[in-house]
Amino acid sequence: QKEVEQNSGPLSVPEGAIASLNCTYSDRVSQSFFWYRQYSGKSPELIMSIYSNGDKEDGRFTAQLNKASQYVSLLIRDSQPSDSATYLCAAPIKAAGNKLTFGGGTRVLVKP
Amino acid sequence: SAVISQKPSRDICQRGTSLTIQCQVDSQVTMMFWYRQQPGQSLTLIATANQGSEATYESGFVIDKFPISRPNLTFSTLTVSNMSPEDSSIYLCSVEGQGITDTQYFGPGTRLTVL
Repeated sequence: QKEVEQNSGPLSVPEGAIASLNCTYSDRVSQSFFWYRQYSGKSPELIMSIYSNGDKEDGRFTAQLNKASQYVSLLIRDSQPSDSATYLCAAPIKAAGNKLTFGGGTRVLVKP
Repeated sequence: SAVISQKPSRDICQRGTSLTIQCQVDSQVTMMFWYRQQPGQSLTLIATANQGSEATYESGFVIDKFPISRPNLTFSTLTVSNMSPEDSSIYLCSVEGQGITDTQYFGPGTRLTVL
């Protein structure tokens, strides 16, 4: 099992709907999680971090962490065409300093 | 977050040549990271570069192929040596967030095409 896994998508959602992205992780990662957004041809941009069980909201984004089930989610409310991008889940590898391991990314397509 | 720049932003190179990529940060950082993103793939860590010490390479990456310099706390270079078409990728540097554990911020990347 990879340290962090994501469904590659594409996840197609209509404009205005909620996009729900999931990421599962193994015991080999520390329990700090990061969501990055990457537009085509651009570098990853950090949009959310979560460290504790439960929900964390920032604007239209909500990150959810469930340590018992070892998954972390990202919800995008009122999805806009500008949200169309690849979303990467990342976490630090245990006992490896600040090294991050990334999931394969989920491609999101928001259709007007 | 720190402002990170990379040079060049893109390049097309011939097989067998080498390219050095520069990463400049507008503030002092202890750790800098170099990643590779192959077409359609996620990010893979190449090495971690700390100022004043040798870079630490991940499995599958060696110093002879990807030599790294870290002369000060705001600058690093990654060289891709003896290039082949398989080296065609986006190369990204990142730095740790200041005062924010584990967080990393990325530079704009260098898109390399090897013919």
